[in-house]
Amino acid sequence: AQTVTQSQPEMSVQEAETVTLSCTYDTSESDYYLFWYKQPPSRQMILVIRQEAYKQQNATENRFSVNFQKAAKSFSLKISDSQLGDAAMYFCAYGDNFGNEKLTFGTGTRLTIIP
Amino acid sequence: NAGVMQNPRHLVRRRGQEARLRCSPMKGHSHVYWYRQLPEEGLKFMVYLQKENIIDESGMPKERFSAEFPKEGPSILRIQQVVRGDSAAYFCASSQDRNEKLFFGSGTQLSVL
Repeated sequence: AQTVTQSQPEMSVQEAETVTLSCTYDTSESDYYLFWYKQPPSRQMILVIRQEAYKQQNATENRFSVNFQKAAKSFSLKISDSQLGDAAMYFCAYGDNFGNEKLTFGTGTRLTIIP
Repeated sequence: NAGVMQNPRHLVRRRGQEARLRCSPMKGHSHVYWYRQLPEEGLKFMVYLQKENIIDESGMPKERFSAEFPKEGPSILRIQQVVRGDSAAYFCASSQDRNEKLFFGSGTQLSVL
């Protein structure tokens, strides 16, 4: 079974600075998807970024980028120029190549932005 | 285009009662997924449905839990004879196809007294 590990329960960063959230996973598959989701206090899960394992290029979305190391099974999220609105729980998730139905989530990292 | 709509947002039930959670997927989406989030944990997959069909219910407890997605109307997650351990946030998500982007609702927080 796939597992996703987020070893940082809490992180904090000064506004406008850069922060990196860690995620490692375990799988025997070669094709799969990786995701970072943001969960603000409103509770809604918001997709931040998605990476397809067969793509070597790291995905980016504006201030958000990932460092995908397939051999190391590592998938970290970098947030540049942190803003107060980035404060939330961040979940790393794994999805197999067949679809969305069995996403495996990590336990999350609570990110605090210090003004 | 409205997002995934879940209601109620909060639901309080006493032990032994039934809980019905509703999910209206995004317009044009025929794939619906239910996840459960226990306090301080990530989401756990429960069930995957397409219109009128349960595709995968491997994450659903074998007893008391059921889900449906009828031809007309929202998807329903039903929990019979609730117990305190059922207290959690239940999230619904939808997609246009299996590998398309997944959109989540804001969840239903179920509290069992």
